[in-house]
Amino acid sequence: GENVEQHPSTLSVQEGDSAVIKCTYSDSASNYFPWYKQELGKRPQLIIDIRSNVGEKKDQRIAVTLNKTAKHFSLHITETQPEDSAVYFCAALSNTGNQFYFGTGTSLTVIP
Amino acid sequence: GAGVSQSPSNKVTEKGKDVELRCDPISGHTALYWYRQSLGQGLEFLIYFQGNSAPDKSGLPSDRFSAERTGGSVSTLTIQRTQQEDSAVYLCASSTWGDTQYFGPGTRLTVL
Repeated sequence: GENVEQHPSTLSVQEGDSAVIKCTYSDSASNYFPWYKQELGKRPQLIIDIRSNVGEKKDQRIAVTLNKTAKHFSLHITETQPEDSAVYFCAALSNTGNQFYFGTGTSLTVIP
Repeated sequence: GAGVSQSPSNKVTEKGKDVELRCDPISGHTALYWYRQSLGQGLEFLIYFQGNSAPDKSGLPSDRFSAERTGGSVSTLTIQRTQQEDSAVYLCASSTWGDTQYFGPGTRLTVL
């Protein structure tokens, strides 16, 4: 089955700096990679996703890159703001089923 | 449209009692997932329903846990003879095939 690893587990950045979170996956059949943001006491919410037919996707200050050969994908947040502070989860979905495999999460703190 | 809903939002029970948690997925979503999230931890997969196929129960932690999905829509997660270690937030999510999951607000279970 699929195994998703996520690093780092915690990340602190100064407001305005960039933050990068990396995930690796093991199943080459995985073809969809969403990222979720979970604020304290709230449900996980999708912030950006990428499919395996593209290498990069950007939405304002958030971008995701995918390297299928190396089986890793990364979340990039630029010009970080205090409201970006949350736990971020990556996930991978295999095209052989509809089961999502989640990383263990990254707790991001943006210091004002 | 309406998102995923869960009830109750909070449940306090005594050790040894049975509890039922309910999930109403987004209309038309064929896949339904249950996860458990302990405080400060990641998403622990419990069970997954896809259409009329047999559910994937591989994440259920013990035979005290069971779930059903009636009519391909509403799902109920049942925990029998609750233990203190069952205390957590139980999250439900739904999706269409090959697309992102949408999470419900969760049920916070406290076992005294």
